[in-house]
Parts: sequence; C-alpha cells; structure tokens
Amino acid sequence: GAVVSQHPSRVICKSGTSVKIECRSLDFQATTMFWYRQFPKQSLMLMATSNEGSKATYEQGVEKDKFLINHASLTLSTLTVTSAHPEDSSFYICSARTTLHTDTQYFGPGTRLTVL
Amino acid sequence: QKEVEQDPGPLSVPEGAIVSLNCTYSNSAFQYFMWYRQYSRKGPELLMYTYSSGNKEDGRFTAQVDKSSKYISLFIRDSQPSDSATYLCAMNRNQGGKLIFGQGTELSVKP
Repeated sequence: GAVVSQHPSRVICKSGTSVKIECRSLDFQATTMFWYRQFPKQSLMLMATSNEGSKATYEQGVEKDKFLINHASLTLSTLTVTSAHPEDSSFYICSARTTLHTDTQYFGPGTRLTVL
Repeated sequence: QKEVEQDPGPLSVPEGAIVSLNCTYSNSAFQYFMWYRQYSRKGPELLMYTYSSGNKEDGRFTAQVDKSSKYISLFIRDSQPSDSATYLCAMNRNQGGKLIFGQGTELSVKP
C-alpha cells in the first residue's frame, strides 16, 4: 500500500516553455501532498505544501508564480514549472501524506527535468 | 547551524558488515523520526519510523532514538550490496508537520 506515482519520469524541454508534472496517490487518499526539489548529492528541499481544495503554501524563496501547484482531488496534485530556464533543471519529487498516518510521507519516484 | 546534521559519506563497507548511520539534531521539539532509503535517480522509500526515544527493529534494520543526546541511529546488520543507496534521516515536531531532512549518507556495500 501507500504507492505514489509521478509522470513523467523524465522530461527535456526548451528554455521558455512550461512543463507539468503529475503526482498521484494510487491506493489511498492524500489530503496533503508535498513538492520537493533535489540537486545532485544533496538532500530534499521542500518547495511547497499542497492541501486538497486550497491554495498551496510555498516555502520561503520559492516563486509561486513560477511553480504553480494544483491539488484538485484527493489523489492528484500537479506542479507546473512556467517559463522554464536551465537553472530549473533538477529532480522534482512529490510525496503524499495519508489520512490514516499523518506523521509519515510516501514519496513518488521523482521527475528529472532538463531545460535546454 | 543546520537543524539536522548527517555525515554525507561516502561510506564503503564489505558485504556482511554491520553499518551504523547517524544523525544529530538541534531542536528538542522533534518527536517523530524517520529513515528513508533512496536509490540513485529514485524517490525516497520509508524504511523506519520511530516516535520519541527508544529502539525499533525490522528485519536487518534497527532504529535508535536518544532524545536526551539529540541523536538518532540506523543499524544495518549483515549488509548486502543491494543496501547500497543514500540513507536520509528525517524528523518533525508533530503529526503532519514539515519533515526536516538530513543531507543523506551515501552507502556502498562491496561484494
């Protein structure tokens, strides 16, 4: 149980385009989903917390107009990187917290974004 | 000073060795402690979860929490090459709170 999927697993795009990443909880309902960013050999950096049906809460220093987050249902959250630039290239990972176990998060497999 | 400190390694051990991974933290309010395993280019996988001080064992893995010393450990017995991964400690103050991660320790188990 507690499986989280992400799509796509890898994406390459041109500078200036927008990219959407989906995060789905497959076998449970997630009231809260989290979006992280991870650079090589570094830990996870929380970008934002997303609650179903409400606006996301962004961490300090994260541009909410650049990283658009939507959590329209209890099983789906999306992250859209708008007007992507090479410095946005990174590994993006989502996680979901179940309604049964609010003190643990289950992570998706991650999406590697490369902006040319 | 970071809230959670973890030696990034890399740590290399022979197959069958006992591995000890550690994290220290500065915030005494942390109550929930987790260990995640992350293979290269994959998302983290929850290995162990512990509330407050004490030990927890699951197969070859043992997690220890010493809140008085603000120190947590993960022990891996009879280590296998398949254990080669980055191990991340994480903790939070309360249920549903933001997870604070350590930097991760890269472990390599040599056959």
